[in-house]
Amino acid sequence: AQSVSQHNHHVILSEAASLELGCNYSYGGTVNLFWYVQYPGQHLQLLLKYFSGDPLVKGIKGFEAEFIKSKFSFNLRKPSVQWSDTAEYFCAVTSTGTASKLTFGTGTRLQVTL
Amino acid sequence: DGGITQSPKYLFRKEGQNVTLSCEQNLNHDAMYWYRQDPGQGLRLIYYSQIVNDFQKGDIAEGYSVSREKKESFPLTVTSAQKNPTAFYLCASSSGRTETQYFGPGTRLLVL
Repeated sequence: AQSVSQHNHHVILSEAASLELGCNYSYGGTVNLFWYVQYPGQHLQLLLKYFSGDPLVKGIKGFEAEFIKSKFSFNLRKPSVQWSDTAEYFCAVTSTGTASKLTFGTGTRLQVTL
Repeated sequence: DGGITQSPKYLFRKEGQNVTLSCEQNLNHDAMYWYRQDPGQGLRLIYYSQIVNDFQKGDIAEGYSVSREKKESFPLTVTSAQKNPTAFYLCASSSGRTETQYFGPGTRLLVL
């Protein structure tokens, strides 16, 4: 069975600081990878996704993620965070051909201070 | 407006009572899903359906039941057999081709 690990449970950053959230998955086959974000009081939204091709994926609001197959990782990055990035971030994976069964990590709560 | 709607936003359940959470989508997606979100545990899959009149158990199906009689609707019943039902329930749908899931606003279930 596949699993997803997000090692940072709670991250506090000042505005303009750089962000990197870790995500590692365990599955030996071909995977599709996702980052979702849940802003306070809002529903889960897709931030970015990787299916194939360029391992550096750019998403909305200046976020990007890099797929490193050899490390089973899909870390999320942003060069300069804003207060409005305060949210919970979830990494998720589905193995291709499994009817889109997403496996989620436990989430990372990001708090950006002014 | 295209999207996924869930109702109600808040739901209260008495001990021993079954309750049904509604999920409707007008995205013409074939697949629909139910997740449970608990603090510190992320989202866990309860049930999913790839096509009308067919559904499969997810990772934590015990104490829950679903039906998929129409493409746009996938209601979830939390039965009295579910011993710890207090949680935030999220419905999602996807087009099989893109495999990207889109989520509804959620229903928070509280046990009285």
